[in-house]
Amino acid sequence: AQSVTQPDIHITVSEGASLELRCNYSYGATPYLFWYVQSPGQGLQLLLKYFSGDTLVQGIKGFEAEFKRSQSSFNLRKPSVHWSDAAEYFCAVGPPNTGNQFYFGTGTSLTVIP
Amino acid sequence: DTAVSQTPKYLVTQMGNDKSIKCEQNLGHDTMYWYKQDSKKFLKIMFSYNNKELIINETVPNRFSPKSPDKAHLNLHINSLELGDSAVYFCASSQGPSRFNEQFFGPGTRLTVL
Repeated sequence: AQSVTQPDIHITVSEGASLELRCNYSYGATPYLFWYVQSPGQGLQLLLKYFSGDTLVQGIKGFEAEFKRSQSSFNLRKPSVHWSDAAEYFCAVGPPNTGNQFYFGTGTSLTVIP
Repeated sequence: DTAVSQTPKYLVTQMGNDKSIKCEQNLGHDTMYWYKQDSKKFLKIMFSYNNKELIINETVPNRFSPKSPDKAHLNLHINSLELGDSAVYFCASSQGPSRFNEQFFGPGTRLTVL
């Protein structure tokens, strides 16, 4: 079945450490790809998106993501995590040829320890 | 100024009741959405309206009926509430229906059905 997968349910990192959150998709063609962040008790906020072109995408709050077609992945990275980055992170996919449809992964919860 | 607002923030009700959740956006967007986030944080789109017309209608029980009185409002009415309806419901809006457009989310409405 076509899907978007976030393999890591929960990740804990130390403040100042680097971060990588994984996202994989299983659609035949390259979908539109997004990363959203959900802070506790808040709605979702778009971090970055990829449609085409340069496979390394820069987003807000110092985040970046790299699209790798060969691995069907769109992993989110940050070189140095801040305590305020603790949140739930969602990868989302807009599959090709599905109009405006939009599917979210199950999310990765990030804990940042001092 | 709140861009996308939802009322109420919390809603606790008995099974079988009928309830409504209201959503308003002051961004001048043409497209609005309703999402359901279950207890496992899985986020799924329910409906999307563009210029007050329904454009996405996922497999949702017909007890759920969206209403868009104007472009700035998209309300969600739920009849005969069931235990499984307990979730957080998010409203969102975007400039247009294309996935190229960033979606802005409201803070969510936590619905608990007893």
